[in-house]
Amino acid sequence: DTAVSQTPKYLVTQMGNDKSIKCEQNLGHDTMYWYKQDSKKFLKIMFSYNNKELIINETVPNRFSPKSPDKAHLNLHINSLELGDSAVYFCASSQDRAGTRSTNEQFFGPGTRLTVL
Amino acid sequence: KNEVEQSPQNLTAQEGEFITINCSYSVGISALHWLQQHPGGGIVSLFMLSSGKKKHGRLIATINIQEKHSSLHITASHPRDSAVYICAVGTGNQFYFGTGTSLTVIP
Repeated sequence: DTAVSQTPKYLVTQMGNDKSIKCEQNLGHDTMYWYKQDSKKFLKIMFSYNNKELIINETVPNRFSPKSPDKAHLNLHINSLELGDSAVYFCASSQDRAGTRSTNEQFFGPGTRLTVL
Repeated sequence: KNEVEQSPQNLTAQEGEFITINCSYSVGISALHWLQQHPGGGIVSLFMLSSGKKKHGRLIATINIQEKHSSLHITASHPRDSAVYICAVGTGNQFYFGTGTSLTVIP
């Protein structure tokens, strides 16, 4: 069974559209994350949720909105897509909150490559 | 200036060589992570460190909290080690990534 799964794997869409990327983890972890990897392969955290509550919200446009219906799911909704949103988006999960001294190895999903035309 | 700096940016080695990748950071941290991103794009967490040293197979990670520095060592390198290695640090509610080190191991 896949520990952290994302759908879709590839997403090609027009500028201005609204799209969602789904993420599910079956590890029983408390914390889930969304990361963006740009064309230069630089990873940056976007959001972190712990037990369905937002704990990290980096400076991302408010067109991006995470939704956590339960602690096993963290979906990413993107409104009014722009060319600069093209990137690979990774979902991840860890047992505890990021940056704490407790065991918090992160498990990553396979990534979703978003291309905005 | 990035909170996490890695060196070298690119590294080519012959199979069997001992490899070291360095990571320096400028913030107070509670944990440091080493990640591996394969050519296909998948990311795997290799180590999470808050002090000392960890070993897993041919991989060794060390951290010096006072010097704000960590190293990832690969012994007896193999072509399948070819990947991008990323250092990341957690500081409470923040998380910062290095730009990665692209490693190519030639048979």
